[in-house]
Amino acid sequence: GESVGLHLPTLSVQEGDNSIINCAYSNSASDYFIWYKQESGKGPQFIIDIRSNMDKRQGQRVTVLLNKTVKHLSLQIAATQPGDSAVYFCAENNSGYALNFGKGTSLLVTP
Amino acid sequence: DAGVIQSPRHEVTEMGQEVTLRCKPISGHNSLFWYRQTMMRGLELLIYFNNNVPIDDSGMPEDRFSAKMPNASFSTLKIQPSEPRDSAVYFCASSTGTGAALNEKLFFGSGTQLSVL
Repeated sequence: GESVGLHLPTLSVQEGDNSIINCAYSNSASDYFIWYKQESGKGPQFIIDIRSNMDKRQGQRVTVLLNKTVKHLSLQIAATQPGDSAVYFCAENNSGYALNFGKGTSLLVTP
Repeated sequence: DAGVIQSPRHEVTEMGQEVTLRCKPISGHNSLFWYRQTMMRGLELLIYFNNNVPIDDSGMPEDRFSAKMPNASFSTLKIQPSEPRDSAVYFCASSTGTGAALNEKLFFGSGTQLSVL
């Protein structure tokens, strides 16, 4: 979920397991959501997006679920690999140009 | 495609000095964004341009910050004078979106790590 204070929430999973990263968004009028992956020393990298008229979207090894009733977004990563270790951000679009990013969740994949 | 290119990767300067960060967006992208990332505040939008024109600079923290986009392939973010609290990672991002899709599938550069001593 979203971070509190200075420390990012951390999800630790074993290689090969499935990962689920959660995000609570703030604005019920948001109509577009994105997940980004940020590796150390790099910029955020687009993973997958979903519009508010959908509740599920699948990509390669990733699935995003949207629950508008409780304003919740999740990212599922199948068969997590060491290269998936990174900080994951959800972002919502409710103003047309200013993405509102969450504080991020750190995913650590252990062998 | 080389992606969004930012320079320098790292900048260390002393308080009071002028700092200029540079960005080359992806060719053909007509929207450009400057973001700042800190542990305390996360990713914050500073300013965005559409077709080289600044559309919204309400995220620029103070008059010490200014941004320009003289052409479709180049943008600068300038801080003058710099202060220690400006220390952060500054990202440039670009997209092909327009209107309601303006910031869909933003492509980010690798960022400039700025340290103001």
